[in-house]
Amino acid sequence: KAGVTQTPRYLIKTRGQQVTLSCSPISGHRSVSWYQQTPGQGLQFLFEYFSETQRNKGNFPGRFSGRQFSNSRSEMNVSTLELGDSALYLCASSLLDGDSGANVLTFGAGSRLTVL
Amino acid sequence: AQTVTQSQPEMSVQEAETVTLSCTYDTSENNYYLFWYKQPPSRQMILVIRQEAYKQQNATENRFSVNFQKAAKSFSLKISDSQLGDTAMYFCAFWSGTYKYIFGTGTRLKVLA
Repeated sequence: KAGVTQTPRYLIKTRGQQVTLSCSPISGHRSVSWYQQTPGQGLQFLFEYFSETQRNKGNFPGRFSGRQFSNSRSEMNVSTLELGDSALYLCASSLLDGDSGANVLTFGAGSRLTVL
Repeated sequence: AQTVTQSQPEMSVQEAETVTLSCTYDTSENNYYLFWYKQPPSRQMILVIRQEAYKQQNATENRFSVNFQKAAKSFSLKISDSQLGDTAMYFCAFWSGTYKYIFGTGTRLKVLA
């Protein structure tokens, strides 16, 4: 079973540009969430999608946006990049565990964005 | 609002010894789940162990076990017989049935040969 696939793995952009990151979830997983990981800040929740609908959003400016397609693949976009947007962006897909009811995340390898 | 605190940014342990990573959280909810995720260097984050708040028994997965103290809102991870492959960033996380996970800032664990 294929895991969560994120592309691109690495990218370098300059301030003011925009970037689009892609995430393909595990087959059958309809929930996709995005996180920003920076040293010292841990993982900060960006947003979560389920069946093409954004169900929750973190405390990030409107420059950060996302969407989900009918095949559950998701993209996130960051416009007008700032130096502080340099981070590892992690995508996770999830499925409620039938026995425990826990929502277990399966992460992708991440997209490392460097803004110069 | 829920918060998760990991007060140990870095820890080290000798191979074969035992180490405990601390995590405290704050919530007003009664039903929730707690998790420890592991992020090895340059590798994907994976689930280590999970605990349902309604279960009093502490979860165990091979060498990994938790000490869940619901009243104290504490959820520590114990790694027994530490191995070099345990070197990783460990994140404590909280989920309560909403669509958002709350993560701690992580503890970087280094296992020394």
